[in-house]
Amino acid sequence: GAGVSQSPSNKVTEKGKDVELRCDPISGHTALYWYRQSLGQGLEFLIYFQGNSAPDKSGLPSDRFSAERTGGSVSTLTIQRTQQEDSAVYLCASSYDRAANTEAFFGQGTRLTVV
Amino acid sequence: LAKTTQPISMDSYEGQEVNITCSHNNIATNDYITWYQQFPSQGPRFIIQGYKTKVTNEVASLFIPADRKSSTLSLPRVSLSDTAVYYCLVVPSNSGYALNFGKGTSLLVTP
Repeated sequence: GAGVSQSPSNKVTEKGKDVELRCDPISGHTALYWYRQSLGQGLEFLIYFQGNSAPDKSGLPSDRFSAERTGGSVSTLTIQRTQQEDSAVYLCASSYDRAANTEAFFGQGTRLTVV
Repeated sequence: LAKTTQPISMDSYEGQEVNITCSHNNIATNDYITWYQQFPSQGPRFIIQGYKTKVTNEVASLFIPADRKSSTLSLPRVSLSDTAVYYCLVVPSNSGYALNFGKGTSLLVTP
């Protein structure tokens, strides 16, 4: 596709349920990132993928959060036993590689609301 | 990791030039300075990036002094559609990505 695609665009879930958020990066981009943005806040890094490997998971807030990437393409962020504080916009970005002078392209995000 | 400081908000009238300055006192030798723009309900969008001196593209200019401890994003002749949040990032060369975007500068352009 032309850009980074995220689905669903909106998700409302009950507290305690599991959710899966999907990211389709730009074709050929080896680096993929997940960020979280709470209302009125900046972006908070969650995890970085290079290919299918995740060299940096340091931003995942708890063991309820996990992510995988398959085929060097699609990535899924899973949140188990959701809590109200997980409510936020989850943003995915991809870049051609992870060099510091490489532009990252962001998706529109998934707005997660835990009720 | 280099910490950035930028104004929380700025106001401007249409047609004016807007300069947003960001300080990053502990920037490392090979770090890059990158600016992103974010509209409501959208993901951030890359605007411009530089290492030193001046960089200009069709959207903005980026001024970086010799000591690289600050940078200034310059938006010429802003329009209402430039109302957005602008993030200044220092991207470490050893990782290639920014860990946190901070709250950015919320720019409001009015007629």
